[in-house]
Amino acid sequence: AQSVTQPDIHITVSEGASLELRCNYSYGATPYLFWYVQSPGQGLQLLLKYFSGDTLVQGIKGFEAEFKRSQSSFNLRKPSVHWSDAAEYFCAVGAIALTGGGNKLTFGTGTQLKVEL
Amino acid sequence: DGGITQSPKYLFRKEGQNVTLSCEQNLNHDAMYWYRQDPGQGLRLIYYSQIVNDFQKGDIAEGYSVSREKKESFPLTVTSAQKNPTAFYLCASSRGYSSYEQYFGPGTRLTVT
Repeated sequence: AQSVTQPDIHITVSEGASLELRCNYSYGATPYLFWYVQSPGQGLQLLLKYFSGDTLVQGIKGFEAEFKRSQSSFNLRKPSVHWSDAAEYFCAVGAIALTGGGNKLTFGTGTQLKVEL
Repeated sequence: DGGITQSPKYLFRKEGQNVTLSCEQNLNHDAMYWYRQDPGQGLRLIYYSQIVNDFQKGDIAEGYSVSREKKESFPLTVTSAQKNPTAFYLCASSRGYSSYEQYFGPGTRLTVT
């Protein structure tokens, strides 16, 4: 079964500093990988996704992520953080794992980002 | 604008009562999902439906029930059998069962006392 680990529960960065959020996955085949962001009391918004091809993917709000098969990682990065980036970030891996052949997303436990002004 | 709506935003119930959470989408998506979110546990799949009139149990279906009578609607009932129902509930949809990309609603926070 697939799994996702986000080793950092909380991260604090200063506004304008660079950011890297870690994500490690476990899956036997080529994974489909996602990063979602959640503001307090809100739903999840898709930041970016990796299905195949270029291992560096660009997303919305200036975020990017790099797929490293050898390290089973899909870390999220941003060169310069804005105060509005404060939120919870979830990494997810997709796999064909549902009854009837459907696709299941398995989520990590999330990383809470705090931005200091 | 296309999207997913969940109502109400906040819901309060007494222990022992069933409660139904609404989820509606106008994205013309075939597949819909219900997740439960608890602090520090990420999202856990409760039920999913890949097509109208069909649904399947997810990882934590005990104490919950669903229906899928219309493509646009996938209501979730939290029954009195659910031992710890207080949580944030998220509904999502995707184009079809072969699509990995899921779109989420704004969520319903249920508090049971």
